Amino acid sequence: GENVEQHPSTLSVQEGDSAVIKCTYSDSASNYFPWYKQELGKRPQLIIDIRSNVGEKKDQRIAVTLNKTAKHFSLHITETQPEDSAVYFCAASRGSARQLTFGSGTQLTVLP
Amino acid sequence: EPEVTQTPSHQVTQMGQEVILRCVPISNHLYFYWYRQILGQKVEFLVSFYNNEISEKSEIFDDQFSVERPDGSNFTLKIRSTKLEDSAMYFCASRMELTGGSPLHFGNGTRLTVT
Repeated sequence: GENVEQHPSTLSVQEGDSAVIKCTYSDSASNYFPWYKQELGKRPQLIIDIRSNVGEKKDQRIAVTLNKTAKHFSLHITETQPEDSAVYFCAASRGSARQLTFGSGTQLTVLP
Repeated sequence: EPEVTQTPSHQVTQMGQEVILRCVPISNHLYFYWYRQILGQKVEFLVSFYNNEISEKSEIFDDQFSVERPDGSNFTLKIRSTKLEDSAMYFCASRMELTGGSPLHFGNGTRLTVT
């Protein structure tokens, strides 16, 4: 089955700096890669996703890049703000499968 | 924006008891899921459900677990005889379609505490 590795497990940045979180996946048939933000005690919320026919996607301060050959994808947050502090999970799934496989999460702390 | 709703938000039960966790998926969604998250760990897939039957299940979803869609709106997870290690946050999720990577929408979760 699919295995998703996520790094780093914790990340602290100064407000205004950029943050990068990286994930690798094992199943070359995976074609959908969402990122979720989870605040303490709350549900995971989709912040951005990318499909395998696209190399990069951007939404305001958030961008995701995908390298299918290397089987890795990354989340980039620019101009970080304290409210960006949360746990971020990457995930992967195959189009014909019915489940997301999640990474282990990154605790992002943005220091004011 | 429509949301997946889950009840109760917190359930405390004694080991060996049966619990039923309830979910109302988004109304036009066709695929339903249960995930769980042990405190401080990643979200883990339990089961997916489509067209009134289980599509896939993980090794976690053993014989003590069952799911049901008793009517047109509810989707339930039953744990027949709870164990201490079942303590976790249980998230229901739904998506509209399977192909094309339709986004998965999570509910707010039910925190299950087994004592």
